[in-house]
Amino acid sequence: DVQMTQSPPSLSASVGDRVTITCQASQDITNYINWYQQKPGKAPKLLIHDASRLETGVPSRFSGSGSGTGFSFTISSLQPEDIATYYCQQYDSIPPTFGQGTRLEIK
Amino acid sequence: EVRLVESGGRLVRPGGSLRLSCAPSGFIFSSYNMNWVRQAPGKGLEWLSYISSAGSTVYYADSVRGRFTISRDNAKNSLYLQLSSLRADDTAVYYCARDGGHGVTLFGEVIPRPNWFDTWGQGTLVTVSS
Repeated sequence: DVQMTQSPPSLSASVGDRVTITCQASQDITNYINWYQQKPGKAPKLLIHDASRLETGVPSRFSGSGSGTGFSFTISSLQPEDIATYYCQQYDSIPPTFGQGTRLEIK
Repeated sequence: EVRLVESGGRLVRPGGSLRLSCAPSGFIFSSYNMNWVRQAPGKGLEWLSYISSAGSTVYYADSVRGRFTISRDNAKNSLYLQLSSLRADDTAVYYCARDGGHGVTLFGEVIPRPNWFDTWGQGTLVTVSS
């Protein structure tokens, strides 16, 4: 299985900060990576697919980049409603696998 | 509004069986590939199974292969996950999730397989305990 190593496991930042989360794949996954947001007690929500393609309705402060084995997810200006856990997920091979998650808190 | 609603989760004894259902609305169910994903309490996300739009292609995670069975009834607009030989570590919230892609194109042929999960249900809790 492809291992997705996500970092950091947790992150504390202030409103307005630029926040970056990274995911390292254990093998080349081209650009087959997606990013999800999960708020406490809620189902995950797809934000980005194919490394950088923003889902309809998702604010433009969210972005993704990378290819091969190294990927990043960025919130350009952190908002209070962005408090959540974020997951990366690869689909280059079966089974699709998720990173361990990054818990984002407001400082 | 595109929506998925899971049902069927409950407390079950180790070794027991259970069938989960997922009811879609707001989209043409028969046109979409579907998945099941679970989340153990306080843990991350684990993909479990995939079924293609016509039901002809299925995939399973190693952790559930041989114990769980995915199926769908497009005429009844329903997705199912049959769980058997349940263990304590199967305790989790189970989500159905619509696949936003249509597979991967290899040498001009579209191969059905999981892509991204663009719509999720609210989840149904399965607790395995004696």
